[in-house]
Amino acid sequence: GAGVSQSPRYKVAKRGQDVALRCDPISGHVSLFWYQQALGQGPEFLTYFQNEAQLDKSGLPSDRFFAERPEGSVSTLKIQRTQQEDSAVYLCASSHHQGPSYEQYFGPGTRLTVT
Amino acid sequence: AQKVTQAQTEISVVEKEDVTLDCVYETRDTTYYLFWYKQPPSGELVFLIRRNSFDEQNEISGRYSWNFQKSTSSFNFTITASQVVDSAVYFCALSEENDYKLSFGAGTTVTVRA
Repeated sequence: GAGVSQSPRYKVAKRGQDVALRCDPISGHVSLFWYQQALGQGPEFLTYFQNEAQLDKSGLPSDRFFAERPEGSVSTLKIQRTQQEDSAVYLCASSHHQGPSYEQYFGPGTRLTVT
Repeated sequence: AQKVTQAQTEISVVEKEDVTLDCVYETRDTTYYLFWYKQPPSGELVFLIRRNSFDEQNEISGRYSWNFQKSTSSFNFTITASQVVDSAVYFCALSEENDYKLSFGAGTTVTVRA
């Protein structure tokens, strides 16, 4: 079956541009997560959705970051006025159930480079 | 505060050697979950194992084995008879009872040379 897909896989943006990153979770998965992975580091949590509800956005680094999942499936992470420090791989993960005990399945990530 | 510590940044071994990856975690919860993920060069994180805090039984899956010790807050991972295909970054992660997110360690890069 299809796994988590993300698009685009690579994005180069000039400083100050807005970007939108898309995540298609595994069909039927209730939970969806966004993580940010800097070079040589482990993923860092950004935000969490349960269906269409954004239950936790405590990891979003600034108000330039915004995520939505309006119909409880596809999610978009938007970054406004990109800065060089936003350069990273953005990972999306989904989980069939809600709760901390269930494994999350990750997509291939979007590598964002801000020049 | 860092919840998961992977002290080994890089490990290089020759094929067929065993390799053990250390993971030390920190939590105040009595119920928590520990995970290991593999990130090959392609970049996609692959789930390997999940343990809950009440199950300290060690687990073996093929060439992989895990040693969970609550007394030392460690959840170590051993690859037996390593192969070139095992070359990847391995991450240990923690989730806590009332928190859905995964807290990852910094990862250990394993290079297996032929």
